[in-house]
Amino acid sequence: DGGITQSPKYLFRKEGQNVTLSCEQNLNHDAMYWYRQDPGQGLRLIYYSQIVNDFQKGDIAEGYSVSREKKESFPLTVTSAQKNPTAFYLCASSRTYPGLETQYFGPGTRLLVL
Amino acid sequence: GNSVTQMEGPVTLSEEAFLTINCTYTATGYPSLFWYVQYPGEGLQLLLKATKADDKGSNKGFEATYRKETTSFHLEKGSVQVSDSAVYFCAHGGATNKLIFGTGTLLAVQP
Repeated sequence: DGGITQSPKYLFRKEGQNVTLSCEQNLNHDAMYWYRQDPGQGLRLIYYSQIVNDFQKGDIAEGYSVSREKKESFPLTVTSAQKNPTAFYLCASSRTYPGLETQYFGPGTRLLVL
Repeated sequence: GNSVTQMEGPVTLSEEAFLTINCTYTATGYPSLFWYVQYPGEGLQLLLKATKADDKGSNKGFEATYRKETTSFHLEKGSVQVSDSAVYFCAHGGATNKLIFGTGTLLAVQP
């Protein structure tokens, strides 16, 4: 079955620690996205990538970093500079970049700060 | 600017009741419009979409019509079930090359 997988389901971060969230897709999609979801605020775009080896900041990129070395993979690192990282993180992909395309979402990773 | 406004929740209905969740948008041009659904603890799933004015998207008994004149894309279902309990997100894309999401509406259906 084609789809998007995210791991882990739950992740705990200690103060000052960087953590990396995994996102893998086997849909052969060019574009991938990371969103942050907080209660009552909907989804906010962190980073997006139109194609391998290219990515752009979204609306709330500060304290996060990404890489896109392979078409299938778009990991997100939450750095120690992100002072309020507790949230539900969603990865998505679409066939191409323009907003006409349906985005397909992974099951999410919930990040908690110890 | 580009934005999506949807009715605040929670919306609480009895089983078999009629559902409407309002959604209006502001955008440059004529973006595609989407409704996504999120079940507890899961990611978002596309529920339906419409790509041009007067298009009607439909799926699983849900419908929404792209109304250019009122810049709206209201979600409706004639008879809701307990299994429809979820958070529903309206979104638009196209001109801005990224999806703009509303804040979500929680629907709770009681037996």
